[in-house]
Amino acid sequence: QVTLKESGPGILQPSQTLSLTCTFSGFSLSTYGMGVGWIRQPSGKGLEWLANIWWDDDKYYNPSLKNRLTISKDTSNNQAFLKITNVDTADTATYYCARITMMVIISYYFDYWGQGVMVTVSS
Amino acid sequence: DVVLTQTPSILSATIGQSVSISCRSSQSLLDSDGNTYLYWFLQRPGQSPQRLIYLVSNLGSGVPNRFSGSGSGTDFTLKISGVEAEDLGVYYCMQATHAPLTFGSGTKLEIK
Repeated sequence: QVTLKESGPGILQPSQTLSLTCTFSGFSLSTYGMGVGWIRQPSGKGLEWLANIWWDDDKYYNPSLKNRLTISKDTSNNQAFLKITNVDTADTATYYCARITMMVIISYYFDYWGQGVMVTVSS
Repeated sequence: DVVLTQTPSILSATIGQSVSISCRSSQSLLDSDGNTYLYWFLQRPGQSPQRLIYLVSNLGSGVPNRFSGSGSGTDFTLKISGVEAEDLGVYYCMQATHAPLTFGSGTKLEIK
């Protein structure tokens, strides 16, 4: 059974660094073809893709967030991480992590999602 | 970035009615590998999104077969053949052919 669960600080102040953790089970990020993505959703609004990390440590970022994002993983503890530097109120959102799988050359995105973690940026 | 335009933005349906949602892309979503990376997700109220359709027309695991996807190039459609009460929520299309991945703005399905 595949499960993912996000965790984060809940609230932080502008200019701080947001650190998020995705703890998952039922698959391994050391297995060929596995990946994890991060997606966020401001309250009442749509979905925005942020970043992906793959089993081979390939990383992809949404350029709209410029150089503020860093994605990483800890395969021994089945975790993926996302850091967003210099946050402001526009980063207030629910943050989701979701699984990606690749078979042969085809990538299958976001078949399992976590429950999401709410993050508020406020002074 | 690829812009996905969903219509309508709000859809009101009765139980048993068949409905369709359109997703139009600003660029062709046919990848050089021959696949079209167009997905559909449903986000029920208070829940995380769930994947319904992958690669245009493939039903996700456990997804009822009243859902179907079709289309090619820049025009895609999600059809629900016989809406049920549990189908209410917001439907999103997503493309993964071109970086960055982008989502449509969503279609809210309301049950009359």
